[in-house]
Amino acid sequence: EVHLVESGGDLVQPGGSLRLSCGASGFTFSSYWVHWVRQTPGKGLVWVARIKGDERTMNYADSVKGRFTVSRDNAKNTVYLQMNTLRDEDTAVYYCARGAFHLYYLDYWGQGTLVTVSS
Amino acid sequence: QSALTQPASVSGSPGQSITISCTGTSSDVGAYNYVSWYQQHPGKAPKVMIYDVSNRPSGVSNRFSGSKSGNTASLTISGLQAEDEADYYCISYTTSSTYVFGTGTKVTVL
Repeated sequence: EVHLVESGGDLVQPGGSLRLSCGASGFTFSSYWVHWVRQTPGKGLVWVARIKGDERTMNYADSVKGRFTVSRDNAKNTVYLQMNTLRDEDTAVYYCARGAFHLYYLDYWGQGTLVTVSS
Repeated sequence: QSALTQPASVSGSPGQSITISCTGTSSDVGAYNYVSWYQQHPGKAPKVMIYDVSNRPSGVSNRFSGSKSGNTASLTISGLQAEDEADYYCISYTTSSTYVFGTGTKVTVL
């Protein structure tokens, strides 16, 4: 059974940094894209970033480009989201989700981890 | 990357059909047939209902269907049921190799 579990959410001050993790199990991890999606409490979903199984190909939303970095360690079945220069508007629940194999949608999601940016 | 435009809310009575629109541009919705739809109940993670405009994943009710015309995709829920009350989001792959979500639609079953 496919499982994705996010961790690392916390309260951080504006301008600070935080690293989220997404642990995966139940599938051949290195064969799949993994995405990060965030949702401000009570608001809509926003796509943040994705990383290909080869660990070398990444794409980012304009709102986080240059501040966030997605990486993965296929030996540990884990994807990371390094978030730097955090702003109030980065406050959200962050979900990781698996990209469906050779398709363009997200088929399995974690339960999310809350990041709060506040002084 | 502006969010795709969805109506804020749509409502219907049990048994009725409703349609949610998702309007983008020629750089996202209009560029590829890579629009998917997600259902999200309060406090839960999203669940895919439609992918590649009109395909249903295994296990999703055939009451859910999707279509696209130009820069606008649509999700139709037929035979509306109480359990369909949720938020619905579209998402499209873009010509920049990124993705963009819609603004979200709250479906209310009257």
